[in-house]
Amino acid sequence: GQQLNQSPQSMFIQEGEDVSMNCTSSSIFNTWLWYKQDPGEGPVLLIALYKAGELTSNGRLTAQFGITRKDSFLNISASIPSDVGIYFCAGTSTSGTYKYIFGTGTRLKVLA
Amino acid sequence: NAGVTQTPKFRILKIGQSMTLQCTQDMNHNYMYWYRQDPGMGLKLIYYSVGAGITDKGEVPNGYNVSRSTTEDFPLRLELAAPSQTSVYFCASRPGTVSYEQYFGPGTRLTVT
Repeated sequence: GQQLNQSPQSMFIQEGEDVSMNCTSSSIFNTWLWYKQDPGEGPVLLIALYKAGELTSNGRLTAQFGITRKDSFLNISASIPSDVGIYFCAGTSTSGTYKYIFGTGTRLKVLA
Repeated sequence: NAGVTQTPKFRILKIGQSMTLQCTQDMNHNYMYWYRQDPGMGLKLIYYSVGAGITDKGEVPNGYNVSRSTTEDFPLRLELAAPSQTSVYFCASRPGTVSYEQYFGPGTRLTVT
């Protein structure tokens, strides 16, 4: 099945640094969602995006719906140790709004 | 609100055994989903439901069955468990056509030996 290309796969950063990650698709998406998953837990919804070019913030997190509708970006500013986890993107394509396609995740590790 | 709850948290099955993974949501969401998550892979859709009495197959439905008799509950049945079904299973729900925000339960970690 189709999956989203998410990069980077993993990253180590120092506490206080800003983080950027992205997700790309070969097809146009109607919706982009960003999730965070901690070990042994279910994904937690961070941000939902609905329109091309949309920029939405949730605290230190900012996500953007790419203007081509084939990509999305997540930025974390001033990272803290509790930002550690796996960040997933997900989206719905024009061919099916019931179903979501998921990225394989970006594993973030923050060094104090 | 409890959100989406799943039971059990962990389970070990022997090959050929059957079990039901329970999922309940208290948000009155119309859409519900079952996913499996394998190491290093994205979530894969097993089955989904857009309302009570309506279910449909996802990407990897073989070896599983579902039912949706109420809005709140969406159990996943494993028949004749196989080692390939060792995975973490997540249930999720979404309000419906108005919102695309999907909310996940805490997961069930299943091992088949």
